[in-house]
Amino acid sequence: DGGITQSPKYLFRKEGQNVTLSCEQNLNHDAMYWYRQDPGQGLRLIYYSQIVNDFQKGDIAEGYSVSREKKESFPLTVTSAQKNPTAFYLCASSRYHTDTQYFGPGTRLTVL
Amino acid sequence: GQQLNQSPQSMFIQEGEDVSMNCTSSSIFNTWLWYKQDPGEGPVLLIALYKAGELTSNGRLTAQFGITRKDSFLNISASIPSDVGIYFCAGLLTQGGSEKLVFGKGTKLTVNP
Repeated sequence: DGGITQSPKYLFRKEGQNVTLSCEQNLNHDAMYWYRQDPGQGLRLIYYSQIVNDFQKGDIAEGYSVSREKKESFPLTVTSAQKNPTAFYLCASSRYHTDTQYFGPGTRLTVL
Repeated sequence: GQQLNQSPQSMFIQEGEDVSMNCTSSSIFNTWLWYKQDPGEGPVLLIALYKAGELTSNGRLTAQFGITRKDSFLNISASIPSDVGIYFCAGLLTQGGSEKLVFGKGTKLTVNP
């Protein structure tokens, strides 16, 4: 069953703690992306990776970090420097950077 | 920055009615994508458009890539309750030698049975 998985579905953290969101894909896609979605807003790009061991900042990278050590995995760390981390986080992948993107089910992060 | 203007923001319709929504921009896009998002889930790709003027259907859904490459519309015919959700357009924009996907803010569709 090919697809993109994100875990966990819901995540609660205390203010000041770093938290890492998981994203895995078995579609053999080169490119992977992290977006943030706030109510009533479109998707905003946090980071993207065109290939293993490479990643670039998106429009709202401050307070976030990523790694791309394996083709299948693109974890996102929300650091304590992110001022307003409570949001719905979506991971996506595509065969290559300009190809159609497919999304995972999302992780809702709530910082208390 | 680049912006996609998606309208309407929300729609309330009766089951069986047809629906139309669109996205416009002052920028030229190379690809238009339409996604549907159910509450608490990730967006699901409905239709992808790659060429100006292209008209593509997927069941009751029809989408067109505007001839000017600055707009796109999505039509849903004979709506049913499971059409409820948020519909997003996304356009692939080339800028400064790189490409990025830009999203509209979504159209929230409510279908009354």
